Parts: sequence; C-alpha cells; structure tokens
Amino acid sequence: DAKTTQPNSMESNEEEPVHLPCNHSTISGTDYIHWYRQLPSQGPEYVIHGLTSNVNNRMASLAIAEDRKSSTLILHRATLRDAAVYYCSFRDQGGKLIFGQGTELSVKP
Amino acid sequence: GAGVSQSPRYKVTKRGQDVALRCDPISGHVSLYWYRQALGQGPEFLTYFNYEAQQDKSGLPNDRFSAERPEGSISTLTIQRTEQRDSAMYRCASSLAKDSFYEQFFGPGTRLTVL
Repeated sequence: DAKTTQPNSMESNEEEPVHLPCNHSTISGTDYIHWYRQLPSQGPEYVIHGLTSNVNNRMASLAIAEDRKSSTLILHRATLRDAAVYYCSFRDQGGKLIFGQGTELSVKP
Repeated sequence: GAGVSQSPRYKVTKRGQDVALRCDPISGHVSLYWYRQALGQGPEFLTYFNYEAQQDKSGLPNDRFSAERPEGSISTLTIQRTEQRDSAMYRCASSLAKDSFYEQFFGPGTRLTVL
C-alpha cells in the first residue's frame, strides 16, 4: 500500500530553521511530492511541491532525496505562525492522493 | 476573492438518514476534490472532478456515498443511510488547473455527526 511516514511531532525555537522529514518509499517515478500544512480548526493549506529537484518558494524549501523515497520540508526561520500540522503527500499509482499522518510542529518563543 | 465555501458547517443527523453536503469552489477552478478527515489524522481522498466529470471515485468508502458536480461548479456529496462511522470532517478543495493535486485550496469543512 502506498503510504508516507512522518514523525508525530517536532519542536523548534522561533527564528531557527526547521527540517520536517517524510519517507515515501512507495512513490512511483512520476508522482509529485506535495506538502500541506493545517492550522488548528482550519483546512489544509498548500505549501510546496516538487518532483526531483529541490524547490524553493516564499513559504519554504523542499529537498528531495535522489532516490525520491524521502523528502524534507525546510522552514528557514520558524515563526510562531508556523505552528501547525505538516502533511506530505503524493498520488499513488491509482491516482489517489495519499496524505501522511502529519507532523505537529510547535514553535517556542 | 472568496475562497472555497462549504455548507452546512455542522450537521447532526440520526443514523439511517440521508445527508447532502455542499461545496462551492473558487470561481473558475476546474478541479474539485472531496476528502474525509478523522480527528488527528490526515485527509483521506474520496473523489474528484474535472469540470462536471467525475474522474476518480475510488476513495468513496461504499455505495452509500456519491458525489456530483452537474454544472462544473458547485458539488454535492451525498451520504445515504448514514451510520455512526460516517461521523467525520468532510472537506472540499478546488484547484485552478486540471488534475492539479498540488495548489489545492481547501474549504472550512462540514463537521458531520451521526447519532
């Protein structure tokens, strides 16, 4: 079964970088890796996506392993507003979008 | 502009009743997705549409669940003969590009409670 594996929780200090890992060992060669985050009592919010190369946008960076079996979402300077549950996801071979269990990130001032 | 809206925001129903959950996507968005999310878990894909065509319904748990998007805009997820295990947050999302599973914009969800 296609699935992702993420740590249940992580802590960071404000203004420090955060590296959120995800294992997706069953991903096929053509699937994008997506990351979403979910603030309390809100719907998920798109963060970033990538295929093979590392990606950067205004919210974060995405580092993708060469074998594509894992990726890391990087928040360069965590703020209190970044406290959320972060999900990695990808489409399985049937086209269904699989979400991981998520990593709950807490940020300490 | 307006985001994705869903109604009702909360629905309490008795076991055996039918419920209809509505999703109003962002204007102009081609694809519309339905998910179910249990407390403390990630979203679980149910189905999605490009315009009015249902592309994939493999995530629908059983034949009590159905969805439609007849005019390529508003969508309705219907659950017939509800059961207690159907209780969850039901989320809708839309994306501008077809089949764009990234850059989905999610709505606030409908919290369904089946008594």
